Amino acid sequence: QKEVEQDPGPLSVPEGAIVSLNCTYSNSAFQYFMWYRQYSRKGPELLMYTYSSGNKEDGRFTAQVDKSSKYISLFIRDSQPSDSATYLCAMRASGGSNYKLTFGKGTLLTVNP
Amino acid sequence: EAGVTQFPSHSVIEKGQTVTLRCDPISGHDNLYWYRRVMGKEIKFLLHFVKESKQDESGMPNNRFLAERTGGTYSTLKVQPAELEDSGVYFCASSQERDSGYTFGSGTRLTVV
Repeated sequence: QKEVEQDPGPLSVPEGAIVSLNCTYSNSAFQYFMWYRQYSRKGPELLMYTYSSGNKEDGRFTAQVDKSSKYISLFIRDSQPSDSATYLCAMRASGGSNYKLTFGKGTLLTVNP
Repeated sequence: EAGVTQFPSHSVIEKGQTVTLRCDPISGHDNLYWYRRVMGKEIKFLLHFVKESKQDESGMPNNRFLAERTGGTYSTLKVQPAELEDSGVYFCASSQERDSGYTFGSGTRLTVV
């Protein structure tokens, strides 16, 4: 079983739709959860960074973490064509010198005008 | 603030040759990371520097890979001799603190033929 599972999609939605992206994980030591956006031929760009369980909102983006279910989500409201990209979840444990991120495979999102 | 810079952006080499990738982190970022994505797989951790010291190199595939970080500034990743399975995109990232998101470079796309 992979440590992080992410549906690769592709996911295609009309402009203005609400998008829900999800990851599940198996390692209960993960405490920090991130969502990255990656455009073609570019590096991952940090969108959301959360610690432990709960919600975090930033503009049209909301990140949710449910540690009891080992499930994280990213919601995009009022999606725009410029949101078309690959979305990657990433996570890591806390404590000591553990900085290593474990990534999901990424979900390819297309927002159609 | 300048981002993480990687070069070359693309390298095509023959099996058995040597290639050196370079990463310039964001100025002042003590933490520097190398990650790799091979086709169809997740982005995977290779190693982590704190200043000039290797903190964790558990993800390095084998001894054909050598990473250095001279004076705690830029870093190089050398592959010698390159094999076909080394093809992929090599990302560098940096961070100032442990508990902060990482900024990724655009990556070096390595093709071994």
